[in-house]
Amino acid sequence: NAGVMQNPRHLVRRRGQEARLRCSPVKGHSHVYWYRQLPEEGLKFMVYLQKENIIDESGMPKERFSAEFPKEGPSILRIQQVVRGDSAAYFCASSPPGASEYNEQFFGPGTRLTVL
Amino acid sequence: QKEVEQNSGPLSVPEGAIASLNCTYSDRGSQSFFWYRQYSGKSPELIMFIYSNGDKEDGRFTAQLNKASQYVSLLIRDSQPSDSATYLCAVKARFGAGNMLTFGGGTRLMVKP
Repeated sequence: NAGVMQNPRHLVRRRGQEARLRCSPVKGHSHVYWYRQLPEEGLKFMVYLQKENIIDESGMPKERFSAEFPKEGPSILRIQQVVRGDSAAYFCASSPPGASEYNEQFFGPGTRLTVL
Repeated sequence: QKEVEQNSGPLSVPEGAIASLNCTYSDRGSQSFFWYRQYSGKSPELIMFIYSNGDKEDGRFTAQLNKASQYVSLLIRDSQPSDSATYLCAVKARFGAGNMLTFGGGTRLMVKP
């Protein structure tokens, strides 16, 4: 009965490289959310996806960041041309389908991105 | 004005005491309220959620919601050193306004033996 899985757990990139973060939701969950936690700051919503659809990306930076949740496979958060300010913990959460108003979100262990 | 506000703490309580954590929110139409616990370097772990005014109890934890005052709290009875963590209050927007959670900055709780 696996929970949300994320990989890699730690990722080191040099400025200008690309970072790809993966998230597999809880089995049966069809809603995926990505949040970012900067050092000493709170969690901030980035994007909400369902299979093959971006539902809400109001928290995503306009440039360099993209997300997808394909029909098959994990959700991917992609950061192009990383900068030092992208260093943060990136958490994925999932929730089951159905009445979205009350669904709890369960978090994965996170990917800690360090940009050198 | 921040959408979800929490006192950053640290809140220090002796072992066995009641810890009271508070949260206020700005969107009067918010429907769902969640408390997460986050240990240093770890991911948020859901403790409780509450939708209706009043109290909701689960073991040593009690969530309290007052929508008129836009206030939600978490009480931890018989606090243990293992409860030492940051407690995050999260609010889900009114139905149809999005599924994301808006988090407060968290309150750091320290339970001293």
